[in-house]
Amino acid sequence: DIVMTQSPDSLALSLGERATVNCKSSQSVLSSSNNRNYLAWYQQKPGQPPKLLIYWASTRESGVPDRFSGSGSGTDFTLTISSLQAEDVAVYYCHQYYSLPYTFGQGTKLEIK
Amino acid sequence: EVQVVESGGGLVQPGGSLRLSCVASGFTFNDYWMTWVRQAPGKGLEWVANIKQDGNEKYYVNSVKGRFTISRDNAKNSLYLQMNSLRVEDTAVYYCARGVMTFDSWGQGTLVTVSS
Repeated sequence: DIVMTQSPDSLALSLGERATVNCKSSQSVLSSSNNRNYLAWYQQKPGQPPKLLIYWASTRESGVPDRFSGSGSGTDFTLTISSLQAEDVAVYYCHQYYSLPYTFGQGTKLEIK
Repeated sequence: EVQVVESGGGLVQPGGSLRLSCVASGFTFNDYWMTWVRQAPGKGLEWVANIKQDGNEKYYVNSVKGRFTISRDNAKNSLYLQMNSLRVEDTAVYYCARGVMTFDSWGQGTLVTVSS
C-alpha cells in the first residue's frame, strides 16, 4: 500500500497569512503513461463530510476559490492557501488514487491564531 | 442538486452484521462508480470499497475483504454495504461518495458502532 504522510500535523496562522501543507507518498504517484499525478486534496470542516478541492495534483475543482492551489510531482506535493480566511479552518487530507487500495494522509488541522 | 444520503448505521455487537444504504439523487446514478469511505472517531479517512457502474467490478481494502460486500441497485439509485463479522475496529462514520478515483459528492455519513 502507498503510505501518505502529511506535515505538519497542525498549523495555526493569522488571517491573511499563507498556509502550506505538505504531503509525501511512499512511492511515486506519477503515471508515465499520461504524465499525471494521481493526487487529490480534500477539506473537511468540523461536523461535515470531506470536500474535494484539488485533483491531478493541481487542478482546482469547480467552485473552489483560487486562493487554493496544489503543486508537486512524483512523491512530494503541497497544498497552498495564499491568504488564509476564517472559513478555511478545517482538516486537510491528501489522497492518492494511483493504486488500490487508495489511501489518505493522516490530515493536517488548520486553525486561526 | 447532486445528493447522496446514507442510512443503516447503529450499535452492533462484535461478530454482528449491518447493512448500510445510500440513496442518490440529482444525477444519473448508473453513469458513476460509487465508493464507501470510513472515518473512525477523531481519526482520518480510509477508503473501504468501490463498485463499477454495472456492478461487475468491485474492490476492497484488505481489512474488510471477505467480511464486507458492496453492491448497487441502479433501478433504485441505491448503493449498499453489507458488513458481516464486525469488529470493534470497524467503528466509524461510513460515507457514501460519488466517483472512482476522486470523490466529488459525499453524504453526511452514518455512524456504525461495534461494541459489546
